Amino acid sequence: QVQLQQSGPGLVKPSQTLSFTCAISGDSVSSNYAAWNWIRQSPSRGLEWLGRTYYRSKWYNDYAVSVKSRITINPDTSKNQFSLQLNSVTPEDTAVYYCVRAIAVAGMAFDIWGQGTMVTVSS
Amino acid sequence: SYELTQPPSVSVSPGQTARITCSGDAFPKQYAYWYQQKPGQAPVLVIYKDTERPSGIPERFSGSSSGTIVTLTISGVQAEDEADYYCQSADSSGTYSHVVFGGGTKLTVL
Repeated sequence: QVQLQQSGPGLVKPSQTLSFTCAISGDSVSSNYAAWNWIRQSPSRGLEWLGRTYYRSKWYNDYAVSVKSRITINPDTSKNQFSLQLNSVTPEDTAVYYCVRAIAVAGMAFDIWGQGTMVTVSS
Repeated sequence: SYELTQPPSVSVSPGQTARITCSGDAFPKQYAYWYQQKPGQAPVLVIYKDTERPSGIPERFSGSSSGTIVTLTISGVQAEDEADYYCQSADSSGTYSHVVFGGGTKLTVL
């Protein structure tokens, strides 16, 4: 079965870069029927989609307007994983971060979620 | 951009029917999706494409749509259904490029 295993720091200082990776098992980051997403959740902002990467003969990225100037999501085909970089973080970026698969057969529903990682932005 | 509005809370007794609504201008142009989240866990997909149920999700979970309102119905509610429920859709101009979530509804089983 498909599983997502995410890794990254639990504490990041303000103005620094938050970085996560999400290792995929049971599927391929280059799949033509999936998209690979980052979603975060905080009490103040609820569930917030951050962006995605996907392959349809070439690589595409979509980013939420709220973070578009600070975010990069990249696939790594050699390791079958994808990554998140969020620059210039502030305490408002404190949240639980999830890597998530969206599947085309289900209308791009988010069907597989990583375990989630709590990130605190604090000096 | 689209917003999705859910009631903050719904309460039902075991065995009754719970209905959780989600309203927004994204509907009916875009599909609705529903997720269940229990404390300390990641969300779980319970309904996709308005009315479809993933394998492994009990039949008591169903979805419906009417105009700009979509509804998650849980028939014969059980104690284990107590959770937060989120609706989700897309904010799209035809390219399905963005995603929106509702604020969530806490279902309490009395």
